[in-house]
Amino acid sequence: DTGVSQDPRHKITKRGQNVTFRCDPISEHNRLYWYRQTLGQGPEFLTYFQNEAQLEKSRLLSDRFSAERPKGSFSTLEIQRTEQGDSAMYLCASSLPTKETQYFGPGTRLLVL
Amino acid sequence: AQTVTQSQPEMSVQEAETVTLSCTYDTSESNYYLFWYKQPPSRQMILVIRQEAYKQQNATENRFSVNFQKAAKSFSLKISDSQLGDTAMYFCAFMKHGQGAQKLVFGQGTRLTINP
Repeated sequence: DTGVSQDPRHKITKRGQNVTFRCDPISEHNRLYWYRQTLGQGPEFLTYFQNEAQLEKSRLLSDRFSAERPKGSFSTLEIQRTEQGDSAMYLCASSLPTKETQYFGPGTRLLVL
Repeated sequence: AQTVTQSQPEMSVQEAETVTLSCTYDTSESNYYLFWYKQPPSRQMILVIRQEAYKQQNATENRFSVNFQKAAKSFSLKISDSQLGDTAMYFCAFMKHGQGAQKLVFGQGTRLTINP
C-alpha cells in the first residue's frame, strides 16, 4: 500500500494559464474524491468518481474546472484560465467501495499570480 | 445540507495534558458517520478516529476518544497524555450514510499546539 499520491506538490502559475493536477489513488480503491482547501479553512468537496464515472460535482466546480478518470485508475483535475481565487490546496482522496474511510493524498498547492 | 462547526480556532496545552476539541453539526439525517482528521504542518491529512451514528458507544483509539452526543449533535475529541507529535490542525467531518457520493463535510478546523 503506497498511499494516495498527487503530482505536482506545488504549482505556481500566472493568471489566465491552464493547469493540470494528477492523483493516483490506492490501487484497489474505486472511489476517488477531489476537495479544495483554502488557507485556514476545512476542505470542501469538488467532485466524486466511482471507477471512471463522474457521479457528482459540486457547484464550486465552475465550467473552468474539469476532472477525468479515464480508466478508473488515476484522475486529473484541470483548471482553465486560472484566476487568483483558484489559489488553494487541491486534495485527492480515495476509498474502497464498501468502506467509508477516505485516505488523503499530500495535496497540490496552487498559487495563481 | 449538513454543516459542521468547530468553535475553537486555536488551542494550546502542555505536553502530557489532556485536551478536548469541540465539534457540533447540523443534519436531518438519522444515519451517518463522524470523523476526526489530523493535518500536521505540511503533511497529509490522516484519520484519527471515526464514529458511526447508530452506535451509542463512544469510539476510542489509544489516547484518542470521542464524546458523541447524538441528540445534542455534538462530537468532541479528547486527547489524553498529549504528545508533541499531536501538534496539528484537527478537522471534524460528517458523512451521510448510504448510496451515492459519500463526501465529507468538514468544519473549519482547530489548530492544536502541544508545548514542551
